[in-house]
Amino acid sequence: GDSVTQMEGPVTLSEEAFLTINCTYTATGYPSLFWYVQYPGEGLQLLLKATKADDKGSNKGFEATYRKETTSFHLEKGSVQVSDSAVYFCALIYNQGGKLIFGQGTELSVKP
Amino acid sequence: KAGVTQTPRYLIKTRGQQVTLSCSPISGHRSVSWYQQTPGQGLQFLFEYFSETQRNKGNFPGRFSGRQFSNSRSEMNVSTLELGDSALYLCASSLRQNYGYTFGSGTRLTVV
Repeated sequence: GDSVTQMEGPVTLSEEAFLTINCTYTATGYPSLFWYVQYPGEGLQLLLKATKADDKGSNKGFEATYRKETTSFHLEKGSVQVSDSAVYFCALIYNQGGKLIFGQGTELSVKP
Repeated sequence: KAGVTQTPRYLIKTRGQQVTLSCSPISGHRSVSWYQQTPGQGLQFLFEYFSETQRNKGNFPGRFSGRQFSNSRSEMNVSTLELGDSALYLCASSLRQNYGYTFGSGTRLTVV
C-alpha cells in the first residue's frame, strides 16, 4: 500500500546550519505531497505543498521538490533558527478521499 | 479567519465510558478528517466526511464513529473506552484535498 518514510530523528543542528530531512514515498498513483510541522502541545501546521512532479513548494525559507523519478520530497532550509525546533511530518494525499498518509515524523532540535 | 476549533482541549475518562469530541472547521470547508496521534503509532487516519457523508474510513474498530452536520461541524465518538485509546485526537478541514488540510490544536484524551 501507499506509505511515507522519513529519516529518523532526532536531528540536532547548530543555529544557521543547513537542514535536510529526507522523505520518500510509495504510491500507486499521483498524490499531492506535503510537509507539516508540529510545535510542542499544538496541532499540525501546513508548511509547504507540491501537487505534481517537479513542483517546488516553499515557505518561511523551507523548500521541497516533488521528485517522481526518485519518489522523494526532501525538506531543506539554508539556515535554521532555534525557533525551527519542532517535529516535521511528510505526508501524501490523493485527490479523492481526504486521507493523509503521514511519515513517522522527524524531530529537529536547533541549538544556539 | 477563525481556524479549526476542537473542544474540549483535555479530557480524562475512565475505562468503559464513552466520549464525544467536537470539531468546528474553517468556514466554507466541507471536508473534515480525524486523526489519532500516539507516540507508538504516530498519526493514523480515522475517517473523513464531506457534505455529511463519510467518504473514507481508517482501520479502527467500530467503537470509533463520527458524523458531520449540515453546517460542516463534526463530532467523533468513542464508546467503551480502553486504556489504549489515550491519544491526541486531531481534526482537520479543507476546501479541497490537494490544497492541504488545516489542523486544529487537538483534544488530549486520557483514559484511566
